[in-house]
Amino acid sequence: GQQLNQSPQSMFIQEGEDVSMNCTSSSIFNTWLWYKQEPGEGPVLLIALYKAGELTSNGRLTAQFGITRKDSFLNISASIPSDVGIYFCAGQGSGGYQKVTFGTGTKLQVIP
Amino acid sequence: GAVVSQHPSRVICKSGTSVKIECRSLDFQATTMFWYRQFPKQSLMLMATSNEGSKATYEQGVEKDKFLINHASLTLSTLTVTSAHPEDSSFYICSARVLGQLNTEAFFGQGTRLTVV
Repeated sequence: GQQLNQSPQSMFIQEGEDVSMNCTSSSIFNTWLWYKQEPGEGPVLLIALYKAGELTSNGRLTAQFGITRKDSFLNISASIPSDVGIYFCAGQGSGGYQKVTFGTGTKLQVIP
Repeated sequence: GAVVSQHPSRVICKSGTSVKIECRSLDFQATTMFWYRQFPKQSLMLMATSNEGSKATYEQGVEKDKFLINHASLTLSTLTVTSAHPEDSSFYICSARVLGQLNTEAFFGQGTRLTVV
């Protein structure tokens, strides 16, 4: 199936630093979603974006829905150790089932 | 947010046996549920879309006779891995969307770790 290209693949940062990751697709999506997954758990929704150009925040997290509807980015400000995990972008299509297609993931490790 | 529960969270089975995984929406009704498979250090790959009262829609390359999906009610979908083999060992995750609402995100279960020995 289709996958979204996410970058970077992994990153090590110092606690307190800001983080930025992005996601691109060859297809247009109506909704962009950002999830965090911890080992042995299902993904947990962080931010949902429903409109091209939309910029949405959730605490220290900010995400934007690209104008072309083919990309999105997620920023995490002032990282803390509990931010460690794998972050996935996901695009949700239109149509009957509105299937969700996941990105390749960004593994974030925070050095205290 | 809405709660989706999977059972069991972990299962070990012998090669050749079948395993059933349940996905329940606990506090909402879901017309559509999705089943994903995730191999170690990889992303989630959609296997099939499960629709209440009708046949599931499988993604290309997913064997429908091997991965049987039943969505008998608006709160329950099951995935049965038939004649499991070691290569079926994976993390299986379901998600569900609230019935009747547009532009709503899907909520995910906690996943089921299947190990076939």
